Amino acid sequence: GNSVTQMEGPVTLSEEAFLTINCTYTATGYPSLFWYVQYPGEGLQLLLKATKADDKGSNKGFEATYRKETTSFHLEKGSVQVSDSAVYFCALVDSWGKLQFGAGTQVVVTP
Amino acid sequence: EAGVAQSPRYKIIEKRQSVAFWCNPISGHATLYWYQQILGQGPKLLIQFQNNGVVDDSQLPKDRFSAERLKGVDSTLKIQPAKLEDSAVYLCASSLVVDRAKNEQFFGPGTRLTVL
Repeated sequence: GNSVTQMEGPVTLSEEAFLTINCTYTATGYPSLFWYVQYPGEGLQLLLKATKADDKGSNKGFEATYRKETTSFHLEKGSVQVSDSAVYFCALVDSWGKLQFGAGTQVVVTP
Repeated sequence: EAGVAQSPRYKIIEKRQSVAFWCNPISGHATLYWYQQILGQGPKLLIQFQNNGVVDDSQLPKDRFSAERLKGVDSTLKIQPAKLEDSAVYLCASSLVVDRAKNEQFFGPGTRLTVL
């Protein structure tokens, strides 16, 4: 079956540091890939997505590239802010349109 | 545009009691989802509706969980009787279309259930 694996947290960084959250997937076919973010006390929000190999999704300074050869979709941001503190979820959509999430990675950014 | 609304935000019950959650999706969204998010895990799909019909309920523990979406708008999720392991956040989401490449789901704030 399909699965998503992402690095465990918490990831603790200082403001302006570089952030990488690793995500790999197992799926049949070519799923669409997503990063969702969950800020404290709020619901999940779509951060970015990529629908085919080599696509790069980007939003709010975050980027992720769909790598079919390594089945990865790592999330990166060059300079994090305290407001980026949240839980980040990598997810894929299967051929039936069903979202499957990774376990989430908590990111804590300190001033 | 109003987002997905859920109530209550928090609920504490004792095991073997019943509980119900309510969701109002974004206006015009035909597809509605209920997820269970256990602490430290990603959300897991419980049930998916397309209008008022069930598309996927393969992960729904049907001996105790039930859900309905009368009139294809609001939805309720019920647990009867609750078990300790049902403690989780229950998320409702909606989307405009079910399309593999366009399936952006919009999530509500969730209901945090604690079963004692």
